Amino acid sequence: GAVVSQHPSWVICKSGTSVKIECRSLDFQATTMFWYRQFPKQSLMLMATSNEGSKATYEQGVEKDKFLINHASLTLSTLTVTSAHPEDSSFYICSASTGVRSPLHFGNGTRLTVT
Amino acid sequence: AQKITQTQPGMFVQEKEAVTLDCTYDTSDQSYGLFWYKQPSSGEMIFLIYQGSYDEQNATEGRYSLNFQKARKSANLVISASQLGDSAMYFCAMRGDQAGTALIFGKGTTLSVSS
Repeated sequence: GAVVSQHPSWVICKSGTSVKIECRSLDFQATTMFWYRQFPKQSLMLMATSNEGSKATYEQGVEKDKFLINHASLTLSTLTVTSAHPEDSSFYICSASTGVRSPLHFGNGTRLTVT
Repeated sequence: AQKITQTQPGMFVQEKEAVTLDCTYDTSDQSYGLFWYKQPSSGEMIFLIYQGSYDEQNATEGRYSLNFQKARKSANLVISASQLGDSAMYFCAMRGDQAGTALIFGKGTTLSVSS
């Protein structure tokens, strides 16, 4: 149980275009989902906390107008990278939890390459 | 604020030997959880083991055990009988026990298991 599905697994886009990444909890409801970014050989850095039915909470230094997060239902959160640039190339991974003292369950991540 | 410190960028171990990955943490929360995740080169985040701050016994999950020393604020992961498939990046993480709290990760340790 507690499966998180993330699509697409990888995407290549041209500079200036937008890319949408979907994160779904398949067998549980997730009031809160989390979006992380990971550069090669580095740790996971929290970008934002996505709350169902309300605005996302962004970490310091993360541009909310560039990384649009929508959490329209208890099983779906989306991250849209707007006007992507090469420096946005990274591994984006979403996660959700089934409870307070439970681990975060992660999607398989999306590898974004902006050319 | 919470902080996780992993001081070993890389560790090397031979098959069938045990290895300890170090993790120290800092938090002002009274109730929190400590987690270890494994990230192979494919990028997926695999949950290994959880330790609650009020748990009196060290957590164990198969070949994984967590050496929890609350007074020292350490939560080291012990992998017994290492296998080639254990080669991966290992992350120590923590989160407070409040609803909607994200995981904060350490920088990770790359484990290499040789035959």
